[in-house]
Amino acid sequence: ILNVEQSPQSLHVQEGDSTNFTCSFPSSNFYALHWYRWETAKSPEALFVMTLNGDEKKKGRISATLNTKEGYSYLYIKGSQPEDSATYLCAFRQKVTFGTGTKLQVIP
Amino acid sequence: NAGVTQTPKFRILKIGQSMTLQCTQDMNHNYMYWYRQDPGMGLKLIYYSVGAGITDKGEVPNGYNVSRSTTEDFPLRLELAAPSQTSVYFCASSLRDRGFPLHFGNGTRLTVT
Repeated sequence: ILNVEQSPQSLHVQEGDSTNFTCSFPSSNFYALHWYRWETAKSPEALFVMTLNGDEKKKGRISATLNTKEGYSYLYIKGSQPEDSATYLCAFRQKVTFGTGTKLQVIP
Repeated sequence: NAGVTQTPKFRILKIGQSMTLQCTQDMNHNYMYWYRQDPGMGLKLIYYSVGAGITDKGEVPNGYNVSRSTTEDFPLRLELAAPSQTSVYFCASSLRDRGFPLHFGNGTRLTVT
């Protein structure tokens, strides 16, 4: 069983704050790492697919970095907005093992 | 494209009953997956398939069966429903492995009483 861990489990931030979360995964036999955004009562939607060490991806105010040698990825949100409130999941691509997610609540 | 379609949306089963959760995708994706979502536990992989005729177990396969006779369809079968199978089930697909993201269906909420 692959161990994919995310921290923190939950986070409350004020509107306008920037924040970041961590995804830790096994550093051996790296294949790919995905980030998903999961709003309540909806299905997860893909944010980023990262395959190379040092990858940096950006979509609007959200960005992610990848370090495969040490087995972690960071997701950053700049200037959080209430619509960013969701659970953010990372997934390690071998058999697509998901972490338990970071639940973000942005307070207006 | 409809994407990934799951039916039914909701279902209540009695202990010992059986049912099939349907999943179909119209994106010609090779890979398909079934997950269950348990509170505080994230998504756990039940079964997956890399193409028609090929299936393999995930983390939590006990109590479930799957088949993949066509590229489009990947039904999940519960033979003898148990309360521990109360969960929200998500089907997903991806074009291929590695660099391709998963596309999820809207989920099936199953209660076993």
